Amino acid sequence: GESVGLHLPTLSVQEGDNSIINCAYSNSASDYFIWYKQESGKGPQFIIDIRSNMDKRQGQRVTVLLNKTVKHLSLQIAATQPGDSAVYFCAEKSSGDKLTFGTGTRLAVRP
Amino acid sequence: DAGITQSPRHKVTETGTPVTLRCHQTENHRYMYWYRQDPGHGLRLIHYSYGVKDTDKGEVSDGYSVSRSKTEDFLLTLESATSSQTSVYFCAIGGGWETQYFGPGTRLLVL
Repeated sequence: GESVGLHLPTLSVQEGDNSIINCAYSNSASDYFIWYKQESGKGPQFIIDIRSNMDKRQGQRVTVLLNKTVKHLSLQIAATQPGDSAVYFCAEKSSGDKLTFGTGTRLAVRP
Repeated sequence: DAGITQSPRHKVTETGTPVTLRCHQTENHRYMYWYRQDPGHGLRLIHYSYGVKDTDKGEVSDGYSVSRSKTEDFLLTLESATSSQTSVYFCAIGGGWETQYFGPGTRLLVL
């Protein structure tokens, strides 16, 4: 599972490679999902969102994939850069409910 | 973090003292939120506001109170700080229970 801080899962990638960060969500009724990026000492920054009526959504260098069958969300970052180094976490919203946040994955980019 | 400021950014206090954290927005968003972020946990909602003088509890509201007398300001008060309230506190703004934009955070240490 995911965790924040000292025991955070880490994904290490070579600069220029693609990164895939995964998130398992818990509630099959969740209808909206967000990916956030959090750099050290800063607040979470919105990256991209997706609704449950979609399977895929693309932004600038990022793609989010949603697999409702297995309750899985992924964030793909193309041509990973040093500036992408951060903690990434997902959030889900159940219908009529508040956002529930995951604990995150640390992305480390090797030069 | 554009449009959202938090003050103070860092604070050290002693157990039993009152502490007030301030969140200020210039985006005119209706909803404002206070979260805390701790290792091993995702962001957890403390309190939120859906308009001036309209507030409600989140999942970890015990020991905290809030006030919103103006659209742009949302105050979080720890009536009598405890060591368990040592955390990083984030304010967020949004239009509801979807995309939320976060401030830079306040790091609070209760001795």
